[in-house]
Amino acid sequence: NAGVMQNPRHLVRRRGQEARLRCSPMKGHSHVYWYRQLPEEGLKFMVYLQKENIIDESGMPKERFSAEFPKEGPSILRIQQVVRGDSAAYFCASSQLSGLAGRNQETQYFGPGTRLLVL
Amino acid sequence: GQSLEQPSEVTAVEGAIVQINCTYQTSGFYGLSWYQQHDGGAPTFLSYNALDGLEETGRFSSFLSRSDSYGYLLLQELQMKDSASYFCAVTLDGGSQGNLIFGKGTKLSVKP
Repeated sequence: NAGVMQNPRHLVRRRGQEARLRCSPMKGHSHVYWYRQLPEEGLKFMVYLQKENIIDESGMPKERFSAEFPKEGPSILRIQQVVRGDSAAYFCASSQLSGLAGRNQETQYFGPGTRLLVL
Repeated sequence: GQSLEQPSEVTAVEGAIVQINCTYQTSGFYGLSWYQQHDGGAPTFLSYNALDGLEETGRFSSFLSRSDSYGYLLLQELQMKDSASYFCAVTLDGGSQGNLIFGKGTKLSVKP
């Protein structure tokens, strides 16, 4: 399967625990985006990463949330000391930018998401 | 701030044509994308417009008017499997802003 992979698909945590969400982009894609979706809502951008670099984290809460995309391995979204309000679906998307100056739109392909439930 | 407006719900019958509108007010604009999402599923890319006009892909077409900050998704020959939520999304231009700004989605119900 050459699509975007996310795991786990479902994650249950108690308040105060840590949640780690993993995303493997499509083969050949080096750009990863994380989005959060609440029920009946659209997706909200969190962070945009390239290999070993955070490009834009303007949508990510300043505390408890962090993301990385190491040279080897999947991208990780980490939520420390989870609270009930963190319960949501977290989607990862990947793209392969065109590389042309000033053109930053390439189709983003989404993974199946991780549904986080905080008890 | 950034805002995208689209109807929350639309109902249509099998075989019909439906148009889902999207108006946007954003700090920049590079292009408008449309995604389909079934309940419990992942968003699936449908179409993208960076230039004014109509893009056609099978039963689905998408239109953009940059001067009106407006676009729409047109679904023809509706099928039951088209029942899903449809999101418009804007890519802001410039620099590192490769992220998408999503509307809240339009829930399409296709009736027999």
